[in-house]
Amino acid sequence: GAVVSQHPSWVICKSGTSVKIECRSLDFQATTMFWYRQFPKQSLMLMATSNEGSKATYEQGVEKDKFLINHASLTLSTLTVTSAHPEDSSFYICSAVWDRTFEQFFGPGTRLTVL
Amino acid sequence: GDSVTQMEGPVTLSEEAFLTINCTYTATGYPSLFWYVQYPGEGLQLLLKATKADDKGSNKGFEATYRKETTSFHLEKGSVQVSDSAVYFCALTPNRDDKIIFGKGTRLHILP
Repeated sequence: GAVVSQHPSWVICKSGTSVKIECRSLDFQATTMFWYRQFPKQSLMLMATSNEGSKATYEQGVEKDKFLINHASLTLSTLTVTSAHPEDSSFYICSAVWDRTFEQFFGPGTRLTVL
Repeated sequence: GDSVTQMEGPVTLSEEAFLTINCTYTATGYPSLFWYVQYPGEGLQLLLKATKADDKGSNKGFEATYRKETTSFHLEKGSVQVSDSAVYFCALTPNRDDKIIFGKGTRLHILP
């Protein structure tokens, strides 16, 4: 089956530093990937749509200069949280849309804790 | 805009009880509907889906029918198990390669 991986699965960083999270589609190509954020005991909120070879589209209220997204290939999208602060602590989940079937598959998530 | 509303939890049931989690949606056009499940400490998994009116999605004993007339997609299971304890998300996507819009999730506890 189609598998999406995320790396790292968890990360702890100091306030002010930047953190990069990778999202990979392991056995399929994905022109489109999505980045979601999930707060404890709450639903997933879409942050941005990532399209290979073009700029990401951000949802209203999401700072594009803080959450940098790069979709450099058909199997990899990265989310960089710049100058992280404690309020950025959250569970970040990506999903990838299989180009062939348009099915969407989710990664296991990355838990970010900013001290 | 498009949205999903599902019953708030937590829902606590005894093993072998009947389960219903209500979900209604608002959307223009003809969205695809999904139920996702998130087990403790794990990522999101697709449980079942339906892509057009009157379709019934089913998996692992769970069922949901796409009801256009009532804009609903209620999740049901005839006999729940302890292992079904998880958070369940109702969701829709307006188009097949579009973003997924999630409901707030319903936490389910099954007691042995």
